[in-house]
Amino acid sequence: DVHMTQSPSSLSASIGDTVTITCQASQDIRSSLNWFQQKPGKAPKLLMYGASSLETGVPSRFSGSVSGTDFTFTITGLQPEDFATYYCQQYDNLPPTFGGGTKVEI
Amino acid sequence: QVQLQESGPGLVKPSETLSLTCAVSGDSVRSFFWSWIRQSPGKGLEWIGYVSHTGSTNYNPSLRGRVTMSLDTSKNQFSLKLASVTTADTAVYYCTRGKATPYVWGPGTLATVSS
Repeated sequence: DVHMTQSPSSLSASIGDTVTITCQASQDIRSSLNWFQQKPGKAPKLLMYGASSLETGVPSRFSGSVSGTDFTFTITGLQPEDFATYYCQQYDNLPPTFGGGTKVEI
Repeated sequence: QVQLQESGPGLVKPSETLSLTCAVSGDSVRSFFWSWIRQSPGKGLEWIGYVSHTGSTNYNPSLRGRVTMSLDTSKNQFSLKLASVTTADTAVYYCTRGKATPYVWGPGTLATVSS
């Protein structure tokens, strides 16, 4: 299985901040990476696919990039509704595998 | 707009079989792929497998042959059976639309394994 190492596991931020989360894949997965947002008691929501393509309706303050096996997810100008846990997921190889999550807190 | 809803017993005894159903509205199970994903505090998010619109399946090898997924086109739903459960199988189980990318999720259902 492809192992996804996500960091940090949690971070504290303020409204308006820029937040960066990283995921490293244990092998080449091309750009086959999704990012999800999960709020307490809710199912995860797909925000981004293909490492940098926003799902329909997702604000442009969310962005993503890839360099080799290192993936970066950025929120520019953190909004109150962005406080949540974020997960990366690779889908280049079956079984799809998830990172351990990053909790973004105030 | 597609919506998914999981259902099933919330409590299962060790060594028994966990059975869950996902009702689909706004779409047909005769289209697309349909998957199950679970989430537990200890193991995070784990992809369980998928069943395709033709009924073909692919399961996570980590579940060692305990998984069976199927479609019920007459009821527009799909199901998950997980045999020989242990406490490690306690989790929130989500049904989703997608093969490897879960585009749409159900709200999830908690399944607890306990005697």
